[in-house]
Amino acid sequence: GQNIDQPTEMTATEGAIVQINCTYQTSGFNGLFWYQQHAGEAPTFLSYNVLDGLEEKGRFSSFLSRSKGYSYLLLKELQMKDSASYLCAVSHFMTTDSWGKLQFGAGTQVVVTP
Amino acid sequence: GAVVSQHPSRVICKSGTSVKIECRSLDFQATTMFWYRQFPKQSLMLMATSNEGSKATYEQGVEKDKFLINHASLTLSTLTVTSAHPEDSSFYICSARDSERGETQYFGPGTRLLVL
Repeated sequence: GQNIDQPTEMTATEGAIVQINCTYQTSGFNGLFWYQQHAGEAPTFLSYNVLDGLEEKGRFSSFLSRSKGYSYLLLKELQMKDSASYLCAVSHFMTTDSWGKLQFGAGTQVVVTP
Repeated sequence: GAVVSQHPSRVICKSGTSVKIECRSLDFQATTMFWYRQFPKQSLMLMATSNEGSKATYEQGVEKDKFLINHASLTLSTLTVTSAHPEDSSFYICSARDSERGETQYFGPGTRLLVL
């Protein structure tokens, strides 16, 4: 079957670091996306990993291990505005059935406290 | 770049009426657009994949006669919720993929539908 797991909620203080893990079991895996979604708003793109390893982009970094079916999003120097839901999404190979569609995890609500 | 708009942002309608939601890619051509639905405190559920000039591909359990999708051009896809009922009340979000920019999907701001 197809399954994407990530923790429901994480709490951290301002200035700290938080790591959000995502594990997946899926066929036709192509790559893994991380999106940020504030309440009542649409998701915004954070990162995309296709190859194994770490991708760093400012305060946010994302890691992928294809052999382990595992990814994490690392948020450094947390700010209050980082309080949001973080969605892990698996992209599938382009076929006439999938068209590169995304399958989303349930999201991890990150709460940043002062 | 990669801006996607949706209209309307919010709609309230009576049960039994139909509602059309537009999704536009403003600064790129979207060969593929996706329609999602999101209930409160839940993740995005893909409803259908819309390809320009061809019929949409619906996910299992999504009624294609109830959720009509038209992808008439490379910058516009529409979702029509026909004979809406209160259980159709949800947050509907579209995304668009620019084949020249790779795999990333860019999301519209969403449409909040409330059916009374």
